[in-house]
Amino acid sequence: DSGVTQTPKHLITATGQRVTLRCSPRSGDLSVYWYQQSLDQGLQFLIQYYNGEERAKGNILERFSAQQFPDLHSELNLSSLELGDSALYFCASSVEGTGVNYGYTFGSGTRLTVV
Amino acid sequence: AQSVTQPDIHITVSEGASLELRCNYSYGATPYLFWYVQSPGQGLQLLLKYFSGDTLVQGIKGFEAEFKRSQSSFNLRKPSVHWSDAAEYFCALSGGSYIPTFGRGTSLIVHP
Repeated sequence: DSGVTQTPKHLITATGQRVTLRCSPRSGDLSVYWYQQSLDQGLQFLIQYYNGEERAKGNILERFSAQQFPDLHSELNLSSLELGDSALYFCASSVEGTGVNYGYTFGSGTRLTVV
Repeated sequence: AQSVTQPDIHITVSEGASLELRCNYSYGATPYLFWYVQSPGQGLQLLLKYFSGDTLVQGIKGFEAEFKRSQSSFNLRKPSVHWSDAAEYFCALSGGSYIPTFGRGTSLIVHP
């Protein structure tokens, strides 16, 4: 157990629907990062939050949004889902805002299947 | 722009044999470099990292990696592979933005 908790582990939903993925970072970590992993794109950085504030944005679609709450857990909201959104979504956390000193701690991911 | 290339999609080795996984990067300065391992159904686990100083870094599970600036490489090595090392291995680079860029990964297959 890495200490980063992601729920649910699996999610199957229809096109056009909206889902919410949840991440609880490792105790003491202030930064949360969201990544999308697909066979054709590899690991793509979506967005980072640090202590409740958006810190960095990557290749995140406008249909996707995220937030980090005061207790530091984070949610990734995916709306108007398309077949191409099917992927593994990872959350990672780090103690500081950069992740370079200690690396990231990854959760085990949420596998999203859009049908 | 920064990029990471892992030239080998799959690598097959026999148990007990030595291993080298290749990683090449592109970045204008000295980057922060990482190797992660992903077992099936799991998230990524940090094996080792390089920031500066000694170019040979030791990691967990008996892995080591060598930073070679002249070759823009950060190859991962292990002298004797165990069946439990079968997994996906990712090289990553953090530059000025600190958000790491990951390579596409190398799948390690271990034959008994």
